[in-house]
Amino acid sequence: ETGVTQTPRHLVMGMTNKKSLKCEQHLGHNAMYWYKQSAKKPLELMFVYSLEERVENNSVPSRFSPECPNSSHLFLHLHTLQPEDSALYLCASSRDSYGYTFGSGTRLTVV
Amino acid sequence: AQKITQTQPGMFVQEKEAVTLDCTYDTSDQSYGLFWYKQPSSGEMIFLIYQGSYDEQNATEGRYSLNFQKARKSANLVISASQLGDSAMYFCAMREAPSDDSWGKLQFGAGTQVVVTP
Repeated sequence: ETGVTQTPRHLVMGMTNKKSLKCEQHLGHNAMYWYKQSAKKPLELMFVYSLEERVENNSVPSRFSPECPNSSHLFLHLHTLQPEDSALYLCASSRDSYGYTFGSGTRLTVV
Repeated sequence: AQKITQTQPGMFVQEKEAVTLDCTYDTSDQSYGLFWYKQPSSGEMIFLIYQGSYDEQNATEGRYSLNFQKARKSANLVISASQLGDSAMYFCAMREAPSDDSWGKLQFGAGTQVVVTP
């Protein structure tokens, strides 16, 4: 149990599907993050939420839609994805200026 | 611009030997933090060690130590007495102080794949 839980662990979806990734933390952290990790590329920060408010959106296509209903939960809603969106999606949380605690990731395959 | 550089894409190390993973960084901030994470094939990012820019001593955590050379902007990770379970991807990361246009996000290098052999 890492403290940050991501579900599902694996997801295969068609390009016309709609799905959601879920992230949950009960560490008392006040910020949550979505990262994308593609093969042979550095981790890419997608979204940052601080106290449930989105503070950063790194030019992510609109087919990715984040939602942070409270400080413990973070979602990434997916629709009409492309095969190049296949990647490992990592959620993380942090408190103030400390390091991040990561979840185990969701390995997404778009077919 | 890439702020974290890891020049070794992959390394082989024999069990029980020590290995040094290189990391250089670029920042104009005086206050920042440096981190190393381990990512096994399962995907989870595991925090290993932290070094603050104002820390005068090198950080150590068990078999992990960080060789911090501030003037050279390097933060190499040393793993002593390697074990088979150390086989994984290792990422160096930096977090700068928040500013008006930056949340102070954690930025990662490209990683180094370590394979420990018997």
